[in-house]
Amino acid sequence: KAGVTQTPRYLIKTRGQQVTLSCSPISGHRSVSWYQQTPGQGLQFLFEYFSETQRNKGNFPGRFSGRQFSNSRSEMNVSTLELGDSALYLCASSSATGTASTDTQYFGPGTRLTVL
Amino acid sequence: AQKVTQAQTEISVVEKEDVTLDCVYETRDTTYYLFWYKQPPSGELVFLIRRNSFDEQNEISGRYSWNFQKSTSSFNFTITASQVVDSAVYFCALKAAGNKLTFGGGTRVLVKP
Repeated sequence: KAGVTQTPRYLIKTRGQQVTLSCSPISGHRSVSWYQQTPGQGLQFLFEYFSETQRNKGNFPGRFSGRQFSNSRSEMNVSTLELGDSALYLCASSSATGTASTDTQYFGPGTRLTVL
Repeated sequence: AQKVTQAQTEISVVEKEDVTLDCVYETRDTTYYLFWYKQPPSGELVFLIRRNSFDEQNEISGRYSWNFQKSTSSFNFTITASQVVDSAVYFCALKAAGNKLTFGGGTRVLVKP
């Protein structure tokens, strides 16, 4: 099976712009989660989507949003970019079904976003 | 709330030495799952091992082994006979209620030839 894919791999934006990142999960996986990784804060959970619905949400401002399509592909959007949004954004998929998921999350290669 | 602590920020060893990575976790949930992931310089998080809270049996998989002790809330990971390709950042992670991973700060492992 193909792994989790993320596009683009690298992105440079300026403050105030918005950005959309894309994630295609492993075939058959219906849950997609997003994480932000920065040197200062480490790996932090953004949100999780399952069957086109946001099921869990981390502690991030409303500028961070996402959605999931019927084919389980997911996008996350960051509006009004700030310098502090520079990070590696990682997407993970799992075959999670119930809310108390027991499944392993498999990660994509990430999108490295630089905000100037 | 969940919390994962990896006290070691960096470990440097010479090839063929064993490396043990420490992980201590906190959770009030009685059912939870623990993971180790490896992050090479390319950035992708690679799943290594997983352990359920109700199974304290320790195992060995190739050069990897782990020691899970609920009594001390620890989930340590050992690489036996390290190789240069093992150089990476290793993350311990906890999943309790919900499909959300809480990560430790990571331990950078440098294996010198």
